[in-house]
Amino acid sequence: GAGVSQTPSNKVTEKGKYVELRCDPISGHTALYWYRQSLGQGPEFLIYFQGTGAADDSGLPNDRFFAVRPEGSVSTLKIQRTERGDSAVYLCASSLIHLTDTQYFGPGTRLTVL
Amino acid sequence: AQSVTQLGSHVSVSEGALVLLRCNYSSSVPPYLFWYVQYPNQGLQLLLKYTTGATLVKGINGFEAEFKKSETSFHLTKPSAHMSDAAEYFCAVSGMEYGNKLVFGAGTILRVKS
Repeated sequence: GAGVSQTPSNKVTEKGKYVELRCDPISGHTALYWYRQSLGQGPEFLIYFQGTGAADDSGLPNDRFFAVRPEGSVSTLKIQRTERGDSAVYLCASSLIHLTDTQYFGPGTRLTVL
Repeated sequence: AQSVTQLGSHVSVSEGALVLLRCNYSSSVPPYLFWYVQYPNQGLQLLLKYTTGATLVKGINGFEAEFKKSETSFHLTKPSAHMSDAAEYFCAVSGMEYGNKLVFGAGTILRVKS
């Protein structure tokens, strides 16, 4: 079956611009997670959705970052006024219900802010 | 803050040799433990996980890991390395002391020499 998909695979933008990154989780998975992976580091948690609601957004670095999941399936990570430090690979994962369920990761979106 | 430490950012082994990748966590309550593998230009793939029960966990591709509470460790091993094992490996933990999110180590790049 289809895995987690993310679009675009690559995004190049200029400092100060707004970007949206999309995640399509595995069908039927109620939990959805966003992580950010900077060069040479492990993924860092950003936000976790259970259904339509953000159950934990403690990893969002500041108020320029926002994520939504309006219908409990597709999620969009939104970054306003991008900065060069936002350059990273943004990973999305989904799991069936609980955190101990296996998280299945998408291939990521590589964001480059010039 | 609770953390995950992977000793050695790069490990090099000969084909057929033992693979040992180290992971230690810091928490007073045993967490849930995971090993993920990331092949070049691919998403993270779960190798194995420990939640409860038997402390020796077998995963895909011949890998296994043992949870040792007294050592707060979850080292990953494989008896005989194959060229196709070359990848980056991430240890991750979750559980109450980690805010019920996945916390990743910095990763270990495994190189397999012929």
